[in-house]
Amino acid sequence: QKEVEQDPGPLSVPEGAIVSLNCTYSNSAFQYFMWYRQYSRKGPELLMYTYSSGNKEDGRFTAQVDKSSKYISLFIRDSQPSDSATYLCAMSYPTGANSKLTFGKGITLSVRP
Amino acid sequence: GAVVSQHPSRVICKSGTSVKIECRSLDFQATTMFWYRQFPKKSLMLMATSNEGSKATYEQGVEKDKFLINHASLTLSTLTVTSAHPEDSSFYICSARTPGTMGEQYFGPGTRLTVT
Repeated sequence: QKEVEQDPGPLSVPEGAIVSLNCTYSNSAFQYFMWYRQYSRKGPELLMYTYSSGNKEDGRFTAQVDKSSKYISLFIRDSQPSDSATYLCAMSYPTGANSKLTFGKGITLSVRP
Repeated sequence: GAVVSQHPSRVICKSGTSVKIECRSLDFQATTMFWYRQFPKKSLMLMATSNEGSKATYEQGVEKDKFLINHASLTLSTLTVTSAHPEDSSFYICSARTPGTMGEQYFGPGTRLTVT
């Protein structure tokens, strides 16, 4: 079993839809959880960063963490064509400066106008 | 969010030559930077962790003599691909970690290397 599993894609939704992106993980030592958005041929952009169970909201984006179930989600409300990109979940251990990110495989989202 | 730059954004070189890629944190000091490689439609593959003032830590399978990393200051890390071959052609991305135990990682825009 891989440390981080991300729902496979691709995912295509109409503009205005609510999008739910999900990742599960197997190692309870992960304490920090991130969502990145990557446009084609660009570096990933940090969207959300959280370290506690519960919800964190930023504009149209909501990150949800359930540590008991080892499950994280990213919700996108009122999706726009500009949200079309690859979304990567990532997580890390809370130990020191060398804490590496472990990524999910990514899911490609397409928002149709 | 914090800003990380990379230079060049794109480079084409001949087989056997060396190429240097720079990664800079523009508005924060980064004691730790990371170098990744990404193949088309694949996720990021960590190559090495770069710490300011010390030797880089390479991931298993990454040739340290081929991919030289120097983290000379708190805002600059460089990756040099030595004696490049066509199979080294890839998208190279760096990230920089903000200070503190809960530091966030911000990525640069990436460098597309093509070796002919």
